[in-house]
Amino acid sequence: DAGVIQSPRHEVTEMGQEVTLRCKPISGHNSLFWYRQTMMRGLELLIYFNNNVPIDDSGMPEDRFSAKMPNASFSTLKIQPSEPRDSAVYFCASSPGTGEDQPQHFGDGTRLSIL
Amino acid sequence: GQQVMQIPQYQHVQEGEDFTTYCNSSTTLSNIQWYKQRPGGHPVFLIQLVKSGEVKKQKRLTFQFGEAKKNSSLHITATQTTDVGTYFCYTGNQFYFGTGTSLTVIP
Repeated sequence: DAGVIQSPRHEVTEMGQEVTLRCKPISGHNSLFWYRQTMMRGLELLIYFNNNVPIDDSGMPEDRFSAKMPNASFSTLKIQPSEPRDSAVYFCASSPGTGEDQPQHFGDGTRLSIL
Repeated sequence: GQQVMQIPQYQHVQEGEDFTTYCNSSTTLSNIQWYKQRPGGHPVFLIQLVKSGEVKKQKRLTFQFGEAKKNSSLHITATQTTDVGTYFCYTGNQFYFGTGTSLTVIP
C-alpha cells in the first residue's frame, strides 16, 4: 500500500521566494496533519484538517504560512515570502478518524533550506 | 496549556543495557501514543495506550500508562544498535508530541 507521499523531498531556495510543499495522504484517511521539525523546537503541529476542513491552525507561525486541502487526496503548505528561519523538515501525516486515538502515518518529509 | 515533559532528552547506553524514557503530563490524558524516529527518517507509530495502568509489550519493548493517566514510560530491555533513534510520546487529545528522547547505543 502507498504511504503518505510528500514532494519535494528537498527544497533549497532564496529568502523571499514562495515555497509550496505537497502531500498526498493515505487513501481513506480522514485526518491530515502538517508538522515542522527543528532541533530547537522539536516536532510542532502547524495545522490539522479533518474531512478536508481545517480544524486547528493555531500552530501556523504567521500570515506567511497558509495551508489548503482542496480534496481528500491532496494538501499544500505554502510559505510566502520565505525566510531563513523557516528552514526545517516539514512532515505531513494522515490518520483514520479524528487523529486523536488513531495512529498517524508520516510521509518522508520535505527538507527545506532558505538561504 | 499542555504541559508534557519527556525525559531524559538524551541517553547513551552500552549495547545490551536497558533504556527507559518517561513522559509526564500535568493533566489527565485520554490516551498516549509512542513513536520512533530513526536518524534522517520520519516518526513511526509504535503503540497506543488507553487504559489506566495499561502495560503492553512488543518483544524487548515494554510500554506503561500510569494509574492516574498522567504519565507513561517506554522501556527497552537489552538494547541493540537497531534501537537507535528518537522516541516520542504523543498525546492525542492535544495533538502534542513530546520533546523526544534521543537514544544512542554504543556497540
